[in-house]
Amino acid sequence: ALTQPASVSGSPGQSITISCTGTSTDVGGYNYVSWYQQHPGKAPKLIIYDVINRPSGVSHRFSGSKSGNTASLTISGLQADDEADYHCSSYTSISTHVFGGGTKVTVL
Amino acid sequence: QVQLHESGPGLVKPSETLSLTCAVSGVSFSTYYWSWIRQSPGKGLEWIAHIYYSGSTDYNPSLKSRVTISVDTSKNHISLAIRSVTAADTAVYYCTRLADGFDVWGQGAMVTVSS
Repeated sequence: ALTQPASVSGSPGQSITISCTGTSTDVGGYNYVSWYQQHPGKAPKLIIYDVINRPSGVSHRFSGSKSGNTASLTISGLQADDEADYHCSSYTSISTHVFGGGTKVTVL
Repeated sequence: QVQLHESGPGLVKPSETLSLTCAVSGVSFSTYYWSWIRQSPGKGLEWIAHIYYSGSTDYNPSLKSRVTISVDTSKNHISLAIRSVTAADTAVYYCTRLADGFDVWGQGAMVTVSS
């Protein structure tokens, strides 16, 4: 599995960054990292694909990046509704997909 | 509007086979990969397998020996079977479309493994 911090917190209006660390056979080897937001009791929602791209309708406050084997999701202008679990995913060298353990974001 | 709807038994006994079906509507079945992803209570997401409309498959190596994914293009259905289940297979099972990321998800089907 990819490695994510268990929790990240921030105050409204602040920016936070969630890391997602893999290896050269997944995150570092392909630009196929995606991020998902999941509110309690709901299905995950795609918010970033192919490292940096936002699907139509997703707020510009969400942005993605990658350096080496670590991808990152930044949420700027933190809002109460951003409080959720965030999951990263990557394509792998054996044609499979792998997820991180998830990060709980708390808005203070 | 693309919609995915999972259905399954809800409760399965240990050592038995768990079978789930995903009905796909609102989109041509072809040209996409279709995946099953699960989430154990309080845990992260786990990718299980995917299938192309042509029938080409890939599996999570940790589950490969017990899992079969299949597609019925005439019914726009994707199926998942997990053999010899244990309590560790208790989870919400999601059917998803892989386009640019997993862009469409079903509402999920909760499956509990218990005697």
